Amino acid sequence: RKEVEQDPGPFNVPEGATVAFNCTYSNSASQSFFWYRQDCRKEPKLLMSVYSSGNEDGRFTAQLNRASQYISLLIRDSKLSDSATYLCVVSSYQGRGSTLGRLYFGRGTQLTVWP
Amino acid sequence: EAGVAQSPRYKIIEKRQSVAFWCNPISGHATLYWYQQILGQGPKLLIQFQNNGVVDDSQLPKDRFSAERLKGVDSTLKIQPAKLEDSAVYLCASRTGQKGTTEAFFGQGTRLTVV
Repeated sequence: RKEVEQDPGPFNVPEGATVAFNCTYSNSASQSFFWYRQDCRKEPKLLMSVYSSGNEDGRFTAQLNRASQYISLLIRDSKLSDSATYLCVVSSYQGRGSTLGRLYFGRGTQLTVWP
Repeated sequence: EAGVAQSPRYKIIEKRQSVAFWCNPISGHATLYWYQQILGQGPKLLIQFQNNGVVDDSQLPKDRFSAERLKGVDSTLKIQPAKLEDSAVYLCASRTGQKGTTEAFFGQGTRLTVV
């Protein structure tokens, strides 16, 4: 079983639409959660961290459900510039007593926003 | 602040040849990762260093891949001999903060084509 599972999409939405991405993770001991954005032929870049209480950054809202091991990203009022691949990322400690962080990526969900 | 530097940006080699990639992480970042990203997939962890020590190389194909970070700063990843299925983007990332809660920064990657 993969550490992080994501629906690869693609999602094709018109400008102004609301779109939601989901991801599940297998390691219940995972500690930190992130959404990264990757533009075509570019490196991944941090979009936002995901906190247990949920967090919002402008049009972007991230949610974490530890009981279900589920992470979500909601994008409101989609812009053309939001077209990219969104990667769900989970950080887990190496093992008991360790504080070193493994970093696991989902396969990414491709979003295309059209005018 | 300088980002993660990688070279070369592109490399084309024939199968069974050797190739090496170089990464210079952000100054002060103790954790360094090498990822392999095949087209249409998320980054797959190959190896993780903490300073000059390997902490996770469980997914590194050790019969042909090797990596080192001798002085705990720069790192090299080598493939010998290369196979067609090694065609991918090789991403280097670095991170600070041992608790795994911090952002990982990526270099632009090396795009390898094996023909």
